[in-house]
Formats: sequence, C-alpha cells, structure tokens
Amino acid sequence: GENVEQHPSTLSVQEGDSAVIKCTYSDSASNYFPWYKQELGKRPQLIIDIRSNVGEKKDQRIAVTLNKTAKHFSLHITETQPEDSAVYFCAASSGNTPLVFGKGTRLSVIA
Amino acid sequence: SQTIHQWPATLVQPVGSPLSLECTVEGTSNPNLYWYRQAAGRGLQLLFYSVGIGQISSEVPQNLSASRPQDRQFILSSKKLLLSDSGFYLCAWTGTGYQETQYFGPGTRLLVL
Repeated sequence: GENVEQHPSTLSVQEGDSAVIKCTYSDSASNYFPWYKQELGKRPQLIIDIRSNVGEKKDQRIAVTLNKTAKHFSLHITETQPEDSAVYFCAASSGNTPLVFGKGTRLSVIA
Repeated sequence: SQTIHQWPATLVQPVGSPLSLECTVEGTSNPNLYWYRQAAGRGLQLLFYSVGIGQISSEVPQNLSASRPQDRQFILSSKKLLLSDSGFYLCAWTGTGYQETQYFGPGTRLLVL
C-alpha cells in the first residue's frame, strides 16, 4: 500500500522567511496530494491540494509543487507570519483507498 | 452547505468502561465517512472508514469498533477502554470518491484514567 514520508518533523523559521516541507510517496498510482494545517487543539483544515495533471499550484503565500517522476511533493510558505505556526500534514491517494497521511511537521514562526 | 458534528467534545472515562462517540454529517448524501485517532503530539491514525450504510473497513485491529446505522451517522464504540485509547478522535467525510476534499469534524478529546 501507499507510504508517505514527511520531512522535517519540526521546523523553526524567522518571521518573514520562507518555509519548505517535503513529502515522498511510494505508490506511483497516487494522483491526489492535499496539505492540511492543524492549529493547537483544533481540527486539521485543508489549505491547498494538487492533482497529478499539474506540477505547481499557488494560493497567495502558499504553493505546492509535485514531481511525479521522483514521487515527491512540497509545500512552500513565503513571508511567514506567526499565525502560520501549526502542524502541517501532507497526504496522498490513488483513488482506490483513503488518504494516507504523513506524520506531520511542526512549524514555528519566530517573531 | 455541509456541516459535520461530533459529540461529546470532551470525555473522561475510567479504564474498562464502554465508549460511544457519534458523528453526523449534514447537507450531503452518501458520503464516505472516516474515524481517526490522534495521540498527543502525534499524527493521524485512520481507524475505520465506511462507503455506505453497514459497510465498515477496519485499518487497525484493536478494541474499538465502528458502525454506520444511517447514511450520515458514524459511531465509534468500545466495550472496555484501555489507557492507550486516550487521544483526540476525529471524524471526517468526503464525497463518494477518496480524492474529493476531506473535511474533519471538531473532534472528541478522550482521556482514559
């Protein structure tokens, strides 16, 4: 079955800097890759997703890139702000099974 | 619009007691439903999922069970809780495909003492 690895597990950046979180997946049939943000004590919420027919997708300060050949995808957050501090989860699905999540990255933005 | 509810929001239970957590979805029909558990500071562990009434798939063998008595109702149960059952339980739903956007409920925080 699918296996998703996520790195790093923790990440600290200065406010205004960029943050990058990387995920790799094992099932070459996977073609849907969402990213979720979970603030402390809250539910995970979708922030951006990408499907395998595109290589990059942007939404304001957030972007996701996908490399299907290498089977990895990344989340990029530019101009980080303290409210970006949270745990971020990547996930992958081939459409035949539920989402498989990475173990999460705890992002701390230092003011 | 669609809404997902979970209750109770928090629960403190003694070891060996039974458990019943409920999840309901409004504003959609025939959703896929999911139960996740999240231990403190950890990732999302998929416990059960369901593609229709009475259809339950289990991801992890343990002392928990799930049922879907109605199209938009998903119940997580246990006959005897263990200390290791403590955690944040999240219900989620998607449309009929696994690649549709997945929405999480507000969660139930369970502490087993």
